Amino acid sequence: GESVGLHLPTLSVQEGDNSIINCAYSNSASDYFIWYKQESGKGPQFIIDIRSNMDKRQGQRVTVLLNKTVKHLSLQIAATQPGDSAVYFCAEKNDYKLSFGAGTTVTVRA
Amino acid sequence: NAGVTQTPKFQVLKTGQSMTLQCAQDMNHNSMYWYRQDPGMGLRLIYYSASEGTTDKGEVPNGYNVSRLNKREFSLRLESAAPSQTSVYFCATLRNRGTPTNTEAFFGQGTRLTVV
Repeated sequence: GESVGLHLPTLSVQEGDNSIINCAYSNSASDYFIWYKQESGKGPQFIIDIRSNMDKRQGQRVTVLLNKTVKHLSLQIAATQPGDSAVYFCAEKNDYKLSFGAGTTVTVRA
Repeated sequence: NAGVTQTPKFQVLKTGQSMTLQCAQDMNHNSMYWYRQDPGMGLRLIYYSASEGTTDKGEVPNGYNVSRLNKREFSLRLESAAPSQTSVYFCATLRNRGTPTNTEAFFGQGTRLTVV
């Protein structure tokens, strides 16, 4: 079946460096792709989204890139901080259906 | 303004018992969702409700039923609990279409369910 998934389950990054988290998707019909962050003991929180007709979108310290040719989504975090340590999920929205991938655990080293 | 409220927060069931997880929201959102989260498997969609009066199956609906009681409430029922249903369950709502960031979902605090 169609699914949203992530390339790597864990990522360790030095504080101050840039982070890149990757995601592969398979449903070409999705109209939005979204990144969420989940901290321990909490529900996921919205970071940024990108519409399917866009290639790039920037937010505060984050950039999302969408490559529809290879069905790949990435989240770039600039100047990673200790507070960025969390599990990151990509998600896709197809009409009202909102599906999530498996997640990448990001650990920031001091 | 509580957002999304789930009850209970913790529950232990014996195999074969039934229970209902409650979810209520005060954000006037049309769409509501139930997910389960298991280690290494992310969030898997059980059921969702695009609007009051409608429900649809997600990726893992077997063993569950839902009721969209009204716009505010969306409940998840386990008729005969199994150990495979041990998980953390999250309820969520989605911002309404036509509003900014309409892909932003708001989650409850989760219900940790153990079936023994």
